[in-house]
Amino acid sequence: QSALTQPASVSGSPGQSITISCTGTSSDVGGYNYVSWYQQYPGKAPKLMIYDVSKRPSGVSNRFSGSKSGNTASLTISGLQAEDEADYYCSSYTSSSTLVFGGGTKLTVL
Amino acid sequence: QVQLQESGPGLVKPSETLSLTCVVSGYSISSGYYWVWIRQPPGKGLEWIGSIYHSGSTYYNPSLKSRVTISVDTSKNQFSLKLSSVTAADTAVYYCAGEYDILTGQLDYWGQGTLVTVSS
Repeated sequence: QSALTQPASVSGSPGQSITISCTGTSSDVGGYNYVSWYQQYPGKAPKLMIYDVSKRPSGVSNRFSGSKSGNTASLTISGLQAEDEADYYCSSYTSSSTLVFGGGTKLTVL
Repeated sequence: QVQLQESGPGLVKPSETLSLTCVVSGYSISSGYYWVWIRQPPGKGLEWIGSIYHSGSTYYNPSLKSRVTISVDTSKNQFSLKLSSVTAADTAVYYCAGEYDILTGQLDYWGQGTLVTVSS
């Protein structure tokens, strides 16, 4: 199975909004509403930020939102804060009954 | 609160079998959730290894399927990973996690991760 495609890096200034894309195919992202997003700080375990494309777990800031259009899912972070600087990964269910991750995106807050 | 803790050797020789255990506390492994192994090579991205339900039903990454066995021990509230014939490419931080619904990616709970190095 091929990894989902994410930009290697994105950046933004405090207070701005950024969007991270996650591109797959009709056999994964485009075919199911099972896209999740995770935040990972260096040396730490990932943390679930979004599931089922756009749902937020309890305790996750509403500055984080998810969406999907066709074979591409997106994570948007609004009101960017220094603490948002981390790596972000997407994942999706696949038609082969597997779970596939994206390659990860490093977010830099300028 | 639900906690997961991985344990196992931090160093494994090439061609041998990597064995890890994940102990779940604060939640009965038989109550639901799917139990997942994920790994992350140093400086690289996440890779799903496989998942198991308390009934024993398993799902594996096709690229690893021939070498992976995931099992569950409900009496000890833990699940385990065995990866055979390891090479340097299997060097990674291995995470165990709890997923609300199978293969949806809703990985609510994570262990802290354990680094396994494959080297002679």
